[in-house]
Amino acid sequence: GAGVSQSPSNKVTEKGKDVELRCDPISGHTALYWYRQSLGQGLEFLIYFQGNSAPDKSGLPSDRFSAERTGGSVSTLTIQRTQQEDSAVYLCASSYYAGTGASYEQYFGPGTRLTVT
Amino acid sequence: AQSVSQHNHHVILSEAASLELGCNYSYGGTVNLFWYVQYPGQHLQLLLKYFSGDPLVKGIKGFEAEFIKSKFSFNLRKPSVQWSDTAEYFCAVNAWGNNDMRFGAGTRLTVKP
Repeated sequence: GAGVSQSPSNKVTEKGKDVELRCDPISGHTALYWYRQSLGQGLEFLIYFQGNSAPDKSGLPSDRFSAERTGGSVSTLTIQRTQQEDSAVYLCASSYYAGTGASYEQYFGPGTRLTVT
Repeated sequence: AQSVSQHNHHVILSEAASLELGCNYSYGGTVNLFWYVQYPGQHLQLLLKYFSGDPLVKGIKGFEAEFIKSKFSFNLRKPSVQWSDTAEYFCAVNAWGNNDMRFGAGTRLTVKP
């Protein structure tokens, strides 16, 4: 079946511009995660969505970052007034929801490579 | 918040050598533990996971990992690596009650044919 898809695969933008990154999770997965992977770093948790619950935004690095998930499916990560330090690969993952305290395998998308010049 | 340390940044081995990649986490409560692998040009995929029960877990492609609670460790092992194991390996921890998954910085494994 179809996996997690992300678009665009690559995005080059000028400093100060806004960008939108899209994630289409696996059908039936109610949990959706965004991560950022910088060169030589691990994956940094950004935000988590579960069904219609309020998202966990505890990982967003600044108020320039926001995300939404429409209809419990597609999610968009928006970065306003991009800075060079925002350059990274942004990964989206989805999973079934096993309830608090448990965790199902996360399936990752191919990522969006963002370059801010 | 929990954090994850992977001690080896880059490991180079010859085929048939044994592999052990270290992973330590800092969190005193109950955790779920994972190893993910990213082959060149591919997505991150799950290698193995530990939720509860037998602390020695077996994953795909002959990999295994042992959870040692007293050492806060979850090291990945494989008795005999192959060239096709060349990839980046990430250890991850999810604390019970938390939504986020904390990943280590990754270990790049290069296996020479």
